[in-house]
Amino acid sequence: DAGVTQSPTHLIKTRGQQVTLRCSPISGHKSVSWYQQVLGQGPQFIFQYYEKEERGRGNFPDRFSARQFPNYSSELNVNALLLGDSALYLCASSFTGGETEAFFGQGTRLTVV
Amino acid sequence: AQSVTQLDSQVPVFEEAPVELRCNYSSSVSVYLFWYVQYPNQGLQLLLKYLSGSTLVKGINGFEAEFNKSQTSFHLRKPSVHISDTAEYFCAVSDLANTGNQFYFGTGTSLTVIP
Repeated sequence: DAGVTQSPTHLIKTRGQQVTLRCSPISGHKSVSWYQQVLGQGPQFIFQYYEKEERGRGNFPDRFSARQFPNYSSELNVNALLLGDSALYLCASSFTGGETEAFFGQGTRLTVV
Repeated sequence: AQSVTQLDSQVPVFEEAPVELRCNYSSSVSVYLFWYVQYPNQGLQLLLKYLSGSTLVKGINGFEAEFNKSQTSFHLRKPSVHISDTAEYFCAVSDLANTGNQFYFGTGTSLTVIP
């Protein structure tokens, strides 16, 4: 079975641009969470979605938004990119989001220049 | 609010030697505790978790951790490390009232196993 898949794996954007990152959860999983991992730091929680509803939001500016589709895949959008948005963006999925274990994808490496 | 402190940013250890990676947490509520491993250019993989019950938790790849409530610690140990254990290790907490996968991670410990 496929694990959590994220696309693209790498991308480079210019300051001020917008970016969309994509995540497909494990088959049967209905919850998707997004994390930002800046180099040398631990992952920080951005959003969690379950059944297309936002369940939680971390301490990130409104430039960050996300949504979940009927097939439970998810997109993370970041507007007006800053150099500080350069990071590895991780997606995690679970059945309902209330479990104690989430499965992480390999991440999307975003570089803002 | 929860926070996690990993006291050692880098831990070098010789192959077949024992290792301990330290983790302390602070929380005003009861928490679940986790250790994740991250290999280069990879996502996070769960090593082990403490939910309740026995304070000694065994995980994959020969790792174990002990929950100490009085010291608010959850240190990770392995009696004999292999080259393949070289990776970044993250301690994380999630509070029991959490309705979703909202983990709070430490800053990580880079374990380097020396041949």
